[in-house]
Amino acid sequence: QLQLQESGPGLVKPSETLSLTCTVSGGSISAGSYYWGWIRQPPGKGLEWIGNIYYSGSTFYNPSLKSRVTISVDTSKNQFSLELSSVTAADTAVYYCARRRGNSSGLDYWGQGTLVTVSS
Amino acid sequence: QSALTQPASVSGSPGQSITISCTGTSSDVGGYNYVSWYQQHPGKAPKLMIYDVSDRPSGVSNRFSGSKSGNTASLTISGLQAEDEGDYYCISYTSSSTWVFGGGTKLTVL
Repeated sequence: QLQLQESGPGLVKPSETLSLTCTVSGGSISAGSYYWGWIRQPPGKGLEWIGNIYYSGSTFYNPSLKSRVTISVDTSKNQFSLELSSVTAADTAVYYCARRRGNSSGLDYWGQGTLVTVSS
Repeated sequence: QSALTQPASVSGSPGQSITISCTGTSSDVGGYNYVSWYQQHPGKAPKLMIYDVSDRPSGVSNRFSGSKSGNTASLTISGLQAEDEGDYYCISYTSSSTWVFGGGTKLTVL
């Protein structure tokens, strides 16, 4: 059974860079045509798509975040990562990682989510 | 990109059917059969309920169904049960090769 697990600091200072890692277990991140992505949810609010990366390394980002976001993949560690620079309180959210099969719209596997708070 | 439009809330009694709409444009919902729906319970990760407009993942009850007409996709839940209560989100592929979520709908089972 595929499992995804987010990890990273739960507290980030304003203007700094938020860094999270998603570790994939129960399957290879480079096997098959899958997209690996990040979604966030501010407290009490809706879901927001941040971006995703194809197993080959191609990336796609939310236009509203594109200037601050980098998603990368480390196939040797079976992980993919999110970096969000110049954070503000508005970036406080639960961050989820998820998998989508190519040529499909379904995000079929999700991590449990990790709360990141931006505060000094 | 603007969020897809969903009703803030819907409600129904056990056994009834409800439909949640998800309205976009010809550049997203209307242009592709790449719409999926998610159920989220408090404090939990979203769960995939419908993908590619109307396909249902293995293990999801056949009480859940999806459809699309023009720029509006819909999720219908028949035979409403108490466990169906929660938040529902749609997401669509866009012409910019990105994805956009709907604002979410809170389903209350009366």
